[in-house]
Amino acid sequence: GQNIDQPTEMTATEGAIVQINCTYQTSGFNGLFWYQQHAGEAPTFLSYNVLDGLEEKGRFSSFLSRSKGYSYLLLKELQMKDSASYLCAVIGDYGGATNKLIFGTGTLLAVQP
Amino acid sequence: DTGVSQDPRHKITKRGQNVTFRCDPISEHNRLYWYRQTLGQGPEFLTYFQNEAQLEKSRLLSDRFSAERPKGSFSTLEIQRTEQGDSAMYLCASSLNGIFYEQYFGPGTRLTVT
Repeated sequence: GQNIDQPTEMTATEGAIVQINCTYQTSGFNGLFWYQQHAGEAPTFLSYNVLDGLEEKGRFSSFLSRSKGYSYLLLKELQMKDSASYLCAVIGDYGGATNKLIFGTGTLLAVQP
Repeated sequence: DTGVSQDPRHKITKRGQNVTFRCDPISEHNRLYWYRQTLGQGPEFLTYFQNEAQLEKSRLLSDRFSAERPKGSFSTLEIQRTEQGDSAMYLCASSLNGIFYEQYFGPGTRLTVT
């Protein structure tokens, strides 16, 4: 089966750092994506990891450990506008051309003043 | 590049009616995906096109659902004989060919079946 787990909700303070974890069990692995989704809006791409290690992009970093089936998204210098749902998604190995995304349920982050 | 667009943005229909949604992908993207998202959940894969060929359909896509991409550009998703359980946000995404390209999502069509 395919399973992606992430915490349902998190709360953090403006200016602080927050880490959102994601664990996955999928049929093969061809990469892990993080998306941000504000309420009522479309998901927007944040990061992509296919090799182990840390990818940094401004205030956002994403880490991957393939052997542990684990990733995290790190958000630094939190701003109120970072309040959103953060979706972890995996592309498995489906034996074909499809690169459909398998999403977790998302982590709803609330940034407080 | 105007991004992925979807029409309509909202649709309210009565149970048993048919509805059709349209998605216009980013022009140079040859891959197109449909997902469905319910409140508090992540998007769930429905179907996938490479150019005009529909290459995969999820088991979530019952016989009442059909999707087309006739000229390899825009796509339509039709739901026949709608049920209350079909109420959800229907998201379209597109990407370039290849695993390593991110999928760009449209704003979605929110369907409410009464």
